[in-house]
Amino acid sequence: KAGVTQTPRYLIKTRGQQVTLSCSPISGHRSVSWYQQTPGQGLQFLFEYFSETQRNKGNFPGRFSGRQFSNSRSEMNVSTLELGDSALYLCASRPRDRASNYGYTFGSGTRLTVV
Amino acid sequence: DAKTTQPNSMESNEEEPVHLPCNHSTISGTDYIHWYRQLPSQGPEYVIHGLTSNVNNRMASLAIAEDRKSSTLILHRATLRDAAVYYCILTGRDDKIIFGKGTRLHILP
Repeated sequence: KAGVTQTPRYLIKTRGQQVTLSCSPISGHRSVSWYQQTPGQGLQFLFEYFSETQRNKGNFPGRFSGRQFSNSRSEMNVSTLELGDSALYLCASRPRDRASNYGYTFGSGTRLTVV
Repeated sequence: DAKTTQPNSMESNEEEPVHLPCNHSTISGTDYIHWYRQLPSQGPEYVIHGLTSNVNNRMASLAIAEDRKSSTLILHRATLRDAAVYYCILTGRDDKIIFGKGTRLHILP
């Protein structure tokens, strides 16, 4: 079956712009999480959604937001982009939330460059 | 904050076993121990997980200490393709999966 699909793979934006990234989870998976990965900070948790509801949120400013649709697809949005937002954004899915016995399946990520 | 401690890096020779340690002294009774790895230019990949008993799958084995305060990921026969960053993570009922810095594994041909 198809894995986690993230689009686009690469993106270049200018400071001050906003961006929307998309994630399609594995079919049947209802929990979607987002991570930001930078060389300096490593993998940092952004937020997790289940059944269109945000379940958990990391320590990121309000410029970072997300949502999940009824088909479990998820989007994350970053407004007023800053140079420091340049990173690899990873999406991960698993069958359901509050299930510590399930592993995540990650997508290949969206590489965002802010200039 | 990550609840696990791992060495920053390790080296191993190709075709030899590799033992990657992880300390998690504050583990709670309901926390599962998960391992992921990240190859260059890819997203993390699930490797294995366990609760109390040792676990085996086609990729690796997970040995969990009796007191559950530490665990070891075992790659039975390392190949060059196993060179990656390996993350040991605890997942509990509050669900956030927090990654630490992981162990960068170098495989020497």
